Amino acid sequence: KQEVTQIPAALSVPEGENLVLNCSFTDSAIYNLQWFRQDPGKGLTSLLLIQSSQREQTSGRLNASLDKSSGRSTLYIAASQPGDSATYLCAVNFGNEKLTFGTGTRLTIIP
Amino acid sequence: SAVISQKPSRDICQRGTSLTIQCQVDSQVTMMFWYRQQPGQSLTLIATANQGSEATYESGFVIDKFPISRPNLTFSTLTVSNMSPEDSSIYLCSVARSISNEQFFGPGTRLTVL
Repeated sequence: KQEVTQIPAALSVPEGENLVLNCSFTDSAIYNLQWFRQDPGKGLTSLLLIQSSQREQTSGRLNASLDKSSGRSTLYIAASQPGDSATYLCAVNFGNEKLTFGTGTRLTIIP
Repeated sequence: SAVISQKPSRDICQRGTSLTIQCQVDSQVTMMFWYRQQPGQSLTLIATANQGSEATYESGFVIDKFPISRPNLTFSTLTVSNMSPEDSSIYLCSVARSISNEQFFGPGTRLTVL
């Protein structure tokens, strides 16, 4: 069964620190992987998309990496800000055009 | 990216009734999907909305409970039928660009069933 796991479920970090969110998946034969942000009661905002042929993608203070052989992706957030507080979701396309979501990491940045 | 709107944004419904949720995209897209997010949970795919043919449902979801329409390449509806409190969730539509297969999500419809 194709599964996506995110650990930890919640994370609190002082403002200004760099942090890493983790995502693991059970099947290395992926098509792509997306990181999303979800604010309470809201929809999802796409942050980064990594194709299976890529190892990383960057957007501003965000950097996502992909290691298919180990079944892992990380989302690195530099110089965290209170506005980064949200739930971060990792989703994997295992090649069937559908996304399988992880359970998310709820991030709190402490001012 | 894609601009996606959903109506209604939220609703409170009585047990046994039905609600139809609309999803509108600002441009033609090949793939449209409907997801459910139960309280405190992650997203689960309900079905893929196919233009011109019946939707493709995931395990655990059936057409009688969640009928879907996709009359064209920019619009889809999801109906939640004969609702019970267990149907209280956020329902989200998403679209995928065929080139990159990146998915974009609508703002969601928050449904509460009493």
